[in-house]
Amino acid sequence: ETGVTQTPRHLVMGMTNKKSLKCEQHLGHNAMYWYKQSAKKPLELMFVYNFKEQTENNSVPSRFSPECPNSSHLFLHLHTLQPEDSALYLCASSRPDRANEKLFFGSGTQLSVL
Amino acid sequence: AQSVAQPEDQVNVAEGNPLTVKCTYSVSGNPYLFWYVQYPNRGLQFLLKYITGDNLVKGSYGFEAEFNKSQTSFHLKKPSALVSDSALYFCAVSPRNSGNTPLVFGKGTRLSVIA
Repeated sequence: ETGVTQTPRHLVMGMTNKKSLKCEQHLGHNAMYWYKQSAKKPLELMFVYNFKEQTENNSVPSRFSPECPNSSHLFLHLHTLQPEDSALYLCASSRPDRANEKLFFGSGTQLSVL
Repeated sequence: AQSVAQPEDQVNVAEGNPLTVKCTYSVSGNPYLFWYVQYPNRGLQFLLKYITGDNLVKGSYGFEAEFNKSQTSFHLKKPSALVSDSALYFCAVSPRNSGNTPLVFGKGTRLSVIA
């Protein structure tokens, strides 16, 4: 148990649906991240939040919309997704974003877009 | 821009034999280097990191990694593999003088330890 909880664990949605992924940590961390994991591809950084402020958006399409209401919670709002968006979406947290800090990951949400 | 290469998609090793999972990196200046492991249906877990000092870094579950600056490599090793080591292993890098640049990960190497 890493202390980072993601819900739901699995999600199946149609291309016209709107859904949200949730991430929660109570480790006292102030940096939170969304990563996309696809088979045989490098882990892709999507968004970074430091102290609730977005500090990185890695050219992610606007159909993915992050929200960080406080340092413990992070959401990823999804709308009009494409089948190629099917992947495992991982949330992570760390102490304030520094290059040598280790990340704590949740178990991920396995997303299937039909 | 920094990058990580894990040249093997899959590594197979017999239980009790030594294992090596390869990683090379490209980064401006000196790197911070990491290994993470992902067990089935789980997120990534931190194994070890190289920040500075001794080139041989020891981490969790008996794993170690050797930083080789001339070869820009950071291979993960374990003297005697266990079946329970079977998992997906990720190497990651960040430049030392980058401030807050997040980690860049490789594509992962699946390790299969056969009894």
